[in-house]
Formats: sequence, C-alpha cells, structure tokens
Amino acid sequence: AQTVTQSQPEMSVQEAETVTLSCTYDTSESDYYLFWYKQPPSRQMILVIRQEAYKQQNATENRFSVNFQKAAKSFSLKISDSQLGDAAMYFCAYRSAKETSGSRLTFGEGTQLTVNP
Amino acid sequence: KAGVTQTPRYLIKTRGQQVTLSCSPISGHRSVSWYQQTPGQGLQFLFEYFSETQRNKGNFPGRFSGRQFSNSRSEMNVSTLELGDSALYLCASSLAVSGNTIYFGEGSWLTVV
Repeated sequence: AQTVTQSQPEMSVQEAETVTLSCTYDTSESDYYLFWYKQPPSRQMILVIRQEAYKQQNATENRFSVNFQKAAKSFSLKISDSQLGDAAMYFCAYRSAKETSGSRLTFGEGTQLTVNP
Repeated sequence: KAGVTQTPRYLIKTRGQQVTLSCSPISGHRSVSWYQQTPGQGLQFLFEYFSETQRNKGNFPGRFSGRQFSNSRSEMNVSTLELGDSALYLCASSLAVSGNTIYFGEGSWLTVV
C-alpha cells in the first residue's frame, strides 16, 4: 500500500515571500501521479498542481512549482510571491497509474499554511 | 460547466439513524469517489464507482455503502450512525481515464449527536 507523509503540520510565510511545503511518499510502483490540493476554509479541495512520475521535468503552474525527486520519493511544493489568498490547508496526494486502482487518491496529513501581511 | 454538486451541505443526525448523501458529478464524468475527512484520521478513501459498479473500496465497515445511477449520480449511505461518523464527506469525480484530474465537491458536513 502507498503512503504519503507531510511532516510539516503548519507553516507560515510573509506576503510576497516564497515558501516550500514538503511531501514524501512510499510506493513500489514506477508509474503514478502526484498532486497538490489546496483546501481553503470553504473546505472545497482545489487542484493546485500535478506531476506525472514518468516526466522528469518538474511541473509549474504560475506561482506554484514542484521539486519532484523520484528516487528520493519526494514531492515538494514551492509557492512564490505568496498572497493572502494562498492561506489554506495543503494536501499532497498520490494516485496509482494502475487501471485497477481507478481514481483512488491517497492523501498526506496536510500542511496548514498561514500567510502574514 | 457545473462542478461537482453535493447535497445536503449540512445535516445533523442522531446516533442509530441512517443518512444518505448525494453527489452529482461533472457532466461527462463517469467515475465518482467518496472520501471521509475528520480531524483525527484525515482524508480517507471510502469507495469509487464507475459505470454503476463499485470499482474500489476503502477500509470502512459495512455500514458505509454507496451506489451509482445510470446518469453517473452517486449516493452514499451510512446506517446505524455513530458519533465517530461525524465528518466532512467529500465527493470527487473524474473522467476515469488513467491520470485524469479529479475534481471535488464542497462536501457534506455530517454531525451525529
């Protein structure tokens, strides 16, 4: 079974600064997908960024980028130029590429990000 | 394009009762998954339905069940409610193509008293 670990329960950052959220995972599979979801106080899970394991290039979405280290099973999220609206709980998630696993996501414990003005 | 819609958004039930939650996926999405979110256990996968068939199941007791209709709408049912079932129940939908993005609804808040 796969596991996802987020070792930082809480993080804080000053507005306009950069912050990195950590995530490690454990799997014996070689093909999978990794995601970062954001959950604001409304509690709706919003996809921030995704990474395909077969791609060596790190994914980037505007101010959000990841550092994907497949051998180390590490998948960190970097938020540049942090904005007040970035304040939320961030979840790292794993999805197997196996057809039998369907759309099942395995989530980490989450990191609560606070953005200070 | 409408997102994933969950109803009801909030509900309060008494121990021993049963509850049914509904989820309408994004149009065209045939896969619907359910997750339970609690402060103590985090986000846990309940089950996934695809084309009216349960494709995957998490580690939950048989009191938790679900189904999917021909229009891909899904319901989950919890019978004989316990206090520990108080949680946010999230529904997610996707095209079910491997690696496709999974979209979440706003959740249904269940409080068991």
